[in-house]
Amino acid sequence: AQSVSQHNHHVILSEAASLELGCNYSYGGTVNLFWYVQYPGQHLQLLLKYFSGDPLVKGIKGFEAEFIKSKFSFNLRKPSVQWSDTAEYFCAVNANGNYGQNFVFGPGTRLSVLP
Amino acid sequence: IAGITQAPTSQILAAGRRMTLRCTQDMRHNAMYWYRQDLGLGLRLIHYSNTAGTTGKGEVPDGYSVSRANTDDFPLTLASAVPSQTSVYFCATSIRAHNEQFFGPGTRLTVL
Repeated sequence: AQSVSQHNHHVILSEAASLELGCNYSYGGTVNLFWYVQYPGQHLQLLLKYFSGDPLVKGIKGFEAEFIKSKFSFNLRKPSVQWSDTAEYFCAVNANGNYGQNFVFGPGTRLSVLP
Repeated sequence: IAGITQAPTSQILAAGRRMTLRCTQDMRHNAMYWYRQDLGLGLRLIHYSNTAGTTGKGEVPDGYSVSRANTDDFPLTLASAVPSQTSVYFCATSIRAHNEQFFGPGTRLTVL
């Protein structure tokens, strides 16, 4: 069964620091990749997605992610974080592309940005 | 535009009671999902439905059932609640099964 791992459980940064959150998945076939954000007390919202094409994907709020197929990775980056980026971030993978039951979320990384 | 609504927002339930969590969408998405979110475990899929009239089991289906009589509604039923079902439950939809998912506001359930 496919799985998704996220490198860090909790990341603490100061404002203006650069961010990189790691995500790796275990599936050798075609995948669709997603990053979601969950602000405190809210539901998950899509940050960005990768289906095909340019492996560098730009999302909302200045976030981007790079798909490296050889490393089974889809790391999330932001050059300069803000206090408002404090949230939990989830990587998700949909394998095969046809069935919802193959949509797997990582355990999440909690980001705390200090003002 | 409501998008996805879930009811109730929160509930405290005695163990052994039956409970139905409601999820309604107005986006006419084909696929719907139920997840539970627990600290340190991320989101785990309980049940899904790729289209009206069909359902399937996810990663943690035991103790839960669903139905999909129409496109808009996807209720989740706990036949006999147990404390381990204390969690935050999110309903989600997607246009089709492989597309990005949109999430409802969640239901916080406490089983005592």
